[in-house]
Amino acid sequence: ETGVTQTPRHLVMGMTNKKSLKCEQHLGHNAMYWYKQSAKKPLELMFVYNFKEQTENNSVPSRFSPECPNSSHLFLHLHTLQPEDSALYLCASSSSPGLAGEGGELFFGEGSRLTVL
Amino acid sequence: AQTVTQSQPEMSVQEAETVTLSCTYDTSESDYYLFWYKQPPSRQMILVIRQEAYKQQNATENRFSVNFQKAAKSFSLKISDSQLGDAAMYFCAYRRYNTDKLIFGTGTRLQVFP
Repeated sequence: ETGVTQTPRHLVMGMTNKKSLKCEQHLGHNAMYWYKQSAKKPLELMFVYNFKEQTENNSVPSRFSPECPNSSHLFLHLHTLQPEDSALYLCASSSSPGLAGEGGELFFGEGSRLTVL
Repeated sequence: AQTVTQSQPEMSVQEAETVTLSCTYDTSESDYYLFWYKQPPSRQMILVIRQEAYKQQNATENRFSVNFQKAAKSFSLKISDSQLGDAAMYFCAYRRYNTDKLIFGTGTRLQVFP
């Protein structure tokens, strides 16, 4: 199995739909992340979970609702989205931060391409 | 606040030649990591190389090496003997010790010509 798996790879939804993105990591990491990647913009950190607790919410609108039931799974629930929310949503995982000598890098999934009509 | 700047939106290189991608960052911290990630058209971000700020020696991974200038807050990536498979978006990223956040630059699109 690949390290970080995201489903679905592609999603098209109307503004009134409710859908969810799923991320699963098989690396034994404790931290999981959602990033938004839009054209011609830097990657935007949305949420971070560390040991299932949310440690970062980067002023994300409430129409995006994350859920982290355990250290291996992360969801992003989508509701009443806007066309400007169309983007590539990347999930990542890492070891707990702050351990000198540990790599510090994030491991990414292949992303979920979201189109909001 | 920490920021990462990549001033080259696009670069191109001939196969087998060398290219250098620039990155500068702004931080008041002394302990941090710096990374270069590659994102090919398949979309998955792949770590290319990592540098820990306390290490004076520049990191090297096969054909990839960095020029880390801590005082100047500069972290450039050199790709030697460029290959067609090196064509991708390259992102510079910063992470302070003891934090979750990985902050990315805007990326540089590298084209490799045969």
